[in-house]
Amino acid sequence: GENVEQHPSTLSVQEGDSAVIKCTYSDSASNYFPWYKQELGKGSQLIIDIRSNVGEKKDQRIAVTLNKTAKHFSLHITETQPEDSAVYFCAASIRTGGYQKVTFGIGTKLQVIP
Amino acid sequence: DVKVTQSSRYLVKRTGEKVFLECVQDMDHENMFWYRQDPGLGLRLIYFSYDVKMKEKGDIPEGYSVSREKKERFSLILESASTNQTSMYLCASSSRGGYSYEQYFGPGTRLTVT
Repeated sequence: GENVEQHPSTLSVQEGDSAVIKCTYSDSASNYFPWYKQELGKGSQLIIDIRSNVGEKKDQRIAVTLNKTAKHFSLHITETQPEDSAVYFCAASIRTGGYQKVTFGIGTKLQVIP
Repeated sequence: DVKVTQSSRYLVKRTGEKVFLECVQDMDHENMFWYRQDPGLGLRLIYFSYDVKMKEKGDIPEGYSVSREKKERFSLILESASTNQTSMYLCASSSRGGYSYEQYFGPGTRLTVT
């Protein structure tokens, strides 16, 4: 089955600096890669996603890159703010039939220091 | 707004008790999922359902069962709770068709088994 590795498990940055979280996956059939943000006391929310036919996607301060050959993808957050502090999960997904089989990484706890 | 609700935020049960965790979504989603989240292990899929009365085992189904009698409701059952089932349980739902593969998560239930 799919295996997703995520690094680092914890990350502290100064406010205004950039943060990068990296993930690798094992199954070349994975075709969809979402990133979720989990804030304390709240449900996890999708913040950005990328499909396998795209190399990069950007949404304001957040960007994701995908290297299919190397089977790795990364989340980049620029100009970090205290409200970016949360746990971030990467995932790799294979769509089979009417549903997607999603495998998550272990999560990265990001702390933005004011 | 998509809403996924879970019956309890915190739950304390004794070893051997039968435990029911309820999840309700209001977006008419076909797919529903139960995950458990543990430090260092990320989110792991317990069971999922792609239609009423249909269920599929995820990666760690042992010790759990599920029920989906209505489209909007997906229940996770611990037949005889054990201390190693102490964890955060997350429910999610997603649409089967269309462009979006996004899973919408509930706020989670933190279960402690003593």
